[in-house]
Amino acid sequence: NAGVTQTPKFRVLKTGQSMTLLCAQDMNHEYMYWYRQDPGMGLRLIHYSVGEGTTAKGEVPDGYNVSRLKKQNFLLGLESAAPSQTSVYFCASRRAGGRDEQYFGPGTRLTVT
Amino acid sequence: TQLLEQSPQFLSIQEGENLTVYCNSSSVFSSLQWYRQEPGEGPVLLVTVVTGGEVKKLKRLTFQFGDARKDSSLHITAAQTGDTGLYLCAGDQGGSEKLVFGKGTKLTVNP
Repeated sequence: NAGVTQTPKFRVLKTGQSMTLLCAQDMNHEYMYWYRQDPGMGLRLIHYSVGEGTTAKGEVPDGYNVSRLKKQNFLLGLESAAPSQTSVYFCASRRAGGRDEQYFGPGTRLTVT
Repeated sequence: TQLLEQSPQFLSIQEGENLTVYCNSSSVFSSLQWYRQEPGEGPVLLVTVVTGGEVKKLKRLTFQFGDARKDSSLHITAAQTGDTGLYLCAGDQGGSEKLVFGKGTKLTVNP
């Protein structure tokens, strides 16, 4: 099992450009999450999904969109990148119900210039 | 408002020393998890505590969940350089699909 994988690992964008981050999990988890991690701010939830075809806003959703067309994939889109979106982005997945752990991907380091 | 406050934010110690980090809240959690994150990687679960007053041990790491399920602590005995990393606590408020994360304690263990 690969667990949770993220593509790409690094990316540099110019202000105004768009991009999509891909997250894939092979554990058949129902729940998937996108977080951003900034120094001194911890992990902040951007959007999440509790199942295929469903998405919901997290703590910091502005400037981002998501889609979950397939259970194993969760896409995070930036339509018009801004320097404030420079961050490390983590995807995570979790089994529904119970107190199961969240499994995290290795992260994507995004720089917007 | 940060639901989970972690302290200290930074901790630098020598190998062999003991340390305790804290995770506090005014809210009740049905369970609390501790994760460790090494540089360049995603967080990895260390332990989940569920019952108020519960103590769990993982080799040199001891985790405690407060009696009122509002706080938790992580104690490391005889720290090693391999313990270096960011320690995050995360709370489950029950019935929610989301976890609430603290901002973390960045631990550096010097040789």
